[in-house]
Amino acid sequence: GAVVSQHPSRVICKSGTSVKIECRSLDFQATTMFWYRQFPKQSLMLMATSNEGSKATYEQGVEKDKFLINHASLTLSTLTVTSAHPEDSSFYICSARVLQNIQYFGAGTRLSVL
Amino acid sequence: AQTVTQSQPEMSVQEAETVTLSCTYDTSESDYYLFWYKQPPSRQMILVIRQEAYKQQNATENRFSVNFQKAAKSFSLKISDSQLGDAAMYFCAYRSPISSGSARQLTFGSGTQLTVLP
Repeated sequence: GAVVSQHPSRVICKSGTSVKIECRSLDFQATTMFWYRQFPKQSLMLMATSNEGSKATYEQGVEKDKFLINHASLTLSTLTVTSAHPEDSSFYICSARVLQNIQYFGAGTRLSVL
Repeated sequence: AQTVTQSQPEMSVQEAETVTLSCTYDTSESDYYLFWYKQPPSRQMILVIRQEAYKQQNATENRFSVNFQKAAKSFSLKISDSQLGDAAMYFCAYRSPISSGSARQLTFGSGTQLTVLP
């Protein structure tokens, strides 16, 4: 299947700093990527839909100024958690849609804010 | 809005036995897509199987098969000959057709944690 690479897999940062997470489609072009957040033992919660060349679409309740999304090319979308705080600690997952309506997921990023 | 319900937070199965995971959904659309994803301890989401609503035939992928009951809005996953590597969190997911104009995201159920007993 299609490969989606997500980096870093784990990041620990101090409160107040910004963290950037990258999501790359390695063997296909993705005009649309998705960013999810997952709390322990819970389901995936869609944060935003990332569209190449245009602004991301954020789900209700997600702060667009806190979670900056950039999708500057057909193979790369980035999520920047700005001025991170302990409550932003979570597991973040990206995905990209390919043909046949299938979404392939990155391996996720575990963010810990101290 | 569509909703997906997985009523079994946890299930267990003996190795080599068969287990069925339940999923129901609510939608007013007639054409859509359904998926089962597994999330092992590594937390990598892996597609297990998918079903197009317009297809009457149940999808099958090796030891994994679904029982798709469109009228009942039910989409259960059967795992045959369970293996230790099948232990994971399983998520049922719904996706609207492109023609609906809605964003093309997945709506996930709450998940079922499957334990495989040796």
